[in-house]
Amino acid sequence: DGGITQSPKYLFRKEGQNVTLSCEQNLNHDAMYWYRQDPGQGLRLIYYSQIVNDFQKGDIAEGYSVSREKKESFPLTVTSAQKNPTAFYLCASSTLGSQGEKLFFGSGTQLSVL
Amino acid sequence: GESVGLHLPTLSVQEGDNSIINCAYSNSASDYFIWYKQESGKGPQFIIDIRSNMDKRQGQRVTVLLNKTVKHLSLQIAATQPGDSAVYFCAEDGGMDSSYKLIFGSGTRLLVRP
Repeated sequence: DGGITQSPKYLFRKEGQNVTLSCEQNLNHDAMYWYRQDPGQGLRLIYYSQIVNDFQKGDIAEGYSVSREKKESFPLTVTSAQKNPTAFYLCASSTLGSQGEKLFFGSGTQLSVL
Repeated sequence: GESVGLHLPTLSVQEGDNSIINCAYSNSASDYFIWYKQESGKGPQFIIDIRSNMDKRQGQRVTVLLNKTVKHLSLQIAATQPGDSAVYFCAEDGGMDSSYKLIFGSGTRLLVRP
């Protein structure tokens, strides 16, 4: 089945710890995205990448880092600098077009602080 | 800045009735609009999309209407079913100034009464 896979489903972070969320897609999409969702709110863009080895900051990039070494993979690291990391994290991918394109989402990772 | 907003945070409808979820957008340069459905603890699922050269598009039991004059987007669900209960998000692509990245509204919760 083609799709986008996030892991783990649930993740716990201790004080001062960095944690990495995995995102893999086999849709052959060029663009990948990370969003943060807080309870009862919409999606806010953290980082996005349109091509391998390149990525751009979104609206709330502070305290996060990403890499795009392979087309299929776009892991997100939540660093200790992110003081309020508890949220639902969503990865998405899309084709690249000259205008807006539909995003395909993964099933999300719920990150909580111990 | 430009934003996407929703008129009603929660909509309660009787099973079998039609549902209408509304969304206002403020970026006149937006060319692409999309609706997603999100069930609790899951990633958003694509419902329907529309480009600015159209004012109506129909899918299976769903219709999206776009009124560019008043910058209004709506999602109509016919014969609402219990399985339609979820949070619905609209999004716009923000035009060239936002590199056509999707900008999401805060969502409307649809509750279907049996």
